[in-house]
Amino acid sequence: DTEVTQTPKHLVMGMTNKKSLKCEQHMGHRAMYWYKQKAKKPPELMFVYSYEKLSINESVPSRFSPECPNSSLLNLHLHALQPEDSALYLCASSQPDRDWAEAFFGQGTRLTVV
Amino acid sequence: AQKITQTQPGMFVQEKEAVTLDCTYDTSDPSYGLFWYKQPSSGEMIFLIYQGSYDQQNATEGRYSLNFQKARKSANLVISASQLGDSAMYFCAMREDTDKLIFGTGTRLQVFP
Repeated sequence: DTEVTQTPKHLVMGMTNKKSLKCEQHMGHRAMYWYKQKAKKPPELMFVYSYEKLSINESVPSRFSPECPNSSLLNLHLHALQPEDSALYLCASSQPDRDWAEAFFGQGTRLTVV
Repeated sequence: AQKITQTQPGMFVQEKEAVTLDCTYDTSDPSYGLFWYKQPSSGEMIFLIYQGSYDQQNATEGRYSLNFQKARKSANLVISASQLGDSAMYFCAMREDTDKLIFGTGTRLQVFP
């Protein structure tokens, strides 16, 4: 099963709302990622969890709060977002510490902040 | 500094023809991996092919092959016998000795009948 599942697929939220994006994988991968992708741009790395610990935070604003409850789940908690945060949010997983390990991506959550 | 460079914003190819998408990279790390991903309009990133820095042979996966020229730091993707379903964005990506996977700016490929 080479699948990363993200929910919801689409999300519209107001600037005062709190919402969460969810990501799940059952491939036994111990590294999980959040990427943000604006239209016509490449994915930009936000966070990396390795063995359930936050290993990389690419200076992401605190209104984005990641959480890794266990090795299969990754959440991204959203609070007080701005319209410019509207984007496709992609989750991925891979084996950590291995150059050759490809990352498997979910279908993404299309987020619109109004 | 840009670590992955894709100089072709867009490419056109006729169905059944071959096409090469360019990718150059910059790293001082002797150990790294290079990847190509396809992103259709639906948004999902689909892994296509991998090349390791120590691999002696160019990688191949079905209609996809990677033309790896280490001295020139290039890792071009070759798609043979293009199909209409190959129309998508294609991203070159690199992983160095960390958990970071970073992407180039992408090339939009359009296959026409």
